[in-house]
Amino acid sequence: DGGITQSPKYLFRKEGQNVTLSCEQNLNHDAMYWYRQDPGQGLRLIYYSQIVNDFQKGDIAEGYSVSREKKESFPLTVTSAQKNPTAFYLCASSMGGGRAQYFGPGTRLLVL
Amino acid sequence: AQSVTQLGSHVSVSEGALVLLRCNYSSSVPPYLFWYVQYPNQGLQLLLKYTSAATLVKGINGFEAEFKKSETSFHLTKPSAHMSDAAEYFCAVSDRSGAGGTSYGKLTFGQGTILTVHP
Repeated sequence: DGGITQSPKYLFRKEGQNVTLSCEQNLNHDAMYWYRQDPGQGLRLIYYSQIVNDFQKGDIAEGYSVSREKKESFPLTVTSAQKNPTAFYLCASSMGGGRAQYFGPGTRLLVL
Repeated sequence: AQSVTQLGSHVSVSEGALVLLRCNYSSSVPPYLFWYVQYPNQGLQLLLKYTSAATLVKGINGFEAEFKKSETSFHLTKPSAHMSDAAEYFCAVSDRSGAGGTSYGKLTFGQGTILTVHP
């Protein structure tokens, strides 16, 4: 079955720690996206990538970093510089060009 | 710049009643438009999409939406609500043309509407 997988489902971060959220897709999509979802604030774009080895900052990139070394994978690192990381993180992919995005099941990040 | 406004952060209907979730958009170029549904602690699922073919778009689970250019609207409807429709719904718009430069391919989401269905 084609789709997007995210892991882990829940992630706990200690103060000062960097954590990495995994996102993998087997839809052969060129574009991939990371969103942050907070209650009452909808979805906010963190980073996106339209092609391997290239990515752009979204609306709230500070405190986050990404890489796109393979077409299938777009991991997100939440760094210690992100002071309020508690949120639901969603990864998506699409064929690009404004076409529909397809979402993974999400990772909930909590701070210990 | 694109924007999406969903009127009503909460909508409540009785089971079997009409569902109407409102979405208005602004876009400087012909848009793609989408409706997504999200159940608690899950990702977003694509309900339907408008890509400039028919203006009345049918989606999954009995939902449909009509693109009205003159009203810049893309409201979501379902004739008869089911308990399983209770969820949060998001309208989204994208710039298909690429004319937006760094906005190329990005989706702009509305704030979401939580649908409650009463027995």
